[in-house]
Amino acid sequence: DQQVKQNSPSLSVQEGRISILNCDYTNSMFDYFLWYKKYPAEGPTFLISISSIKDKNEDGRFTVFLNKSAKHLSLHIVPSQPGDSAVYFCAPFPNSGYALNFGKGTSLLVTP
Amino acid sequence: NAGVTQTPKFQVLKTGQSMTLQCAQDMNHNSMYWYRQDPGMGLRLIYYSASEGTTDKGEVPNGYNVSRLNKREFSLRLESAAPSQTSVYFCASRGDGDSPLHFGNGTRLTVT
Repeated sequence: DQQVKQNSPSLSVQEGRISILNCDYTNSMFDYFLWYKKYPAEGPTFLISISSIKDKNEDGRFTVFLNKSAKHLSLHIVPSQPGDSAVYFCAPFPNSGYALNFGKGTSLLVTP
Repeated sequence: NAGVTQTPKFQVLKTGQSMTLQCAQDMNHNSMYWYRQDPGMGLRLIYYSASEGTTDKGEVPNGYNVSRLNKREFSLRLESAAPSQTSVYFCASRGDGDSPLHFGNGTRLTVT
């Protein structure tokens, strides 16, 4: 039973526009969330995180929003750049134990 | 400044052969993880080790064994490889608290 779902396998956005990647989770006890970015032939790299005590966290062009009542996260990239083309994974941080499970990912393509 | 190092980078096995994937981290992290990535399936947790001397099953442990050799090293063994184990394998580590995972660059394994 998946604890985290990324329902859009792929997304295509024009350069300069906003990219919005979504993530839904099932366990209301999760209190910390991570986003990772992965280029082909490389390992995933940490992008941004958010704690449940916040509803927004911003880092440059990347902003993550958390809606706890809807159990929904979204990652906004503004403006999108071709170098942002990658697969993005979300992962809820376990509130107990150490197992960290990822969503299936969304493949973002930013076209010039 | 190596971070997480995985060897080998590529491997081809015949069905029934065995092999060990090696992983080492130089960040003094307590927790280490093995994931596999398959098309459309995202990153799935195979095994993890919360600290030296402990290991636990993740989402897809069947067909694998692990050894936490010391704090730095966490190996993944396939005793009798099967074509279904063709995948890209990622090792990761993280420190304590809410620190994020740091990934290696992966081992691409093909079982024929």
